[in-house]
Amino acid sequence: EPEVTQTPSHQVTQMGQEVILRCVPISNHLYFYWYRQILGQKVEFLVSFYNNEISEKSEIFDDQFSVERPDGSNFTLKIRSTKLEDSAMYFCASKELADEQFFGPGTRLTVL
Amino acid sequence: AQTVTQSQPEMSVQEAETVTLSCTYDTSENNYYLFWYKQPPSRQMILVIRQEAYKQQNATENRFSVNFQKAAKSFSLKISDSQLGDTAMYFCAFMKHVKGAQKLVFGQGTRLTINP
Repeated sequence: EPEVTQTPSHQVTQMGQEVILRCVPISNHLYFYWYRQILGQKVEFLVSFYNNEISEKSEIFDDQFSVERPDGSNFTLKIRSTKLEDSAMYFCASKELADEQFFGPGTRLTVL
Repeated sequence: AQTVTQSQPEMSVQEAETVTLSCTYDTSENNYYLFWYKQPPSRQMILVIRQEAYKQQNATENRFSVNFQKAAKSFSLKISDSQLGDTAMYFCAFMKHVKGAQKLVFGQGTRLTINP
């Protein structure tokens, strides 16, 4: 069964460093998402992406964040200068035309 | 804007018992989807069940069923014959039923523990 994959599973970085989180959505899916979950809190929407552009972004998704689909398979989230409060689990999701979003296993980001 | 509220931060039941998790939501939309996701300790997000708002019949998936009350904006999850593997965080989520890249809006979650 096809699945969304994410790498790395755990990323540790120093405050102020740039990180790139990678996702490979399911191959025939058209819509892509990033969500964030700070430990012990709810899952929050960051950004949605369709047809090579951002469809919607939340107030969390400020100028420090960017997304890209550099080729036909990868979907990346870049944080330019990480802050302590960026420590969280980051989930990638994708969907076809139908309703269900399929989630990846997540990347745990730890900012020291 | 849509909001989703789960008023039970934690619940605990004995194995084989039935448990109901509550969820209420607020929206001005008429067409939408509602979901329950399970998040075990691995933190993977797993879809448990979904409901389309225009369907009057409550969704069921094996031991999982929902009680969808559209007028009351309530969407509870019932787990029958609970198993140890049901121990997880459960999130209720809302999504508009319109074309495009619609986002999921999640509740705060309910931590469910099934005791042996």
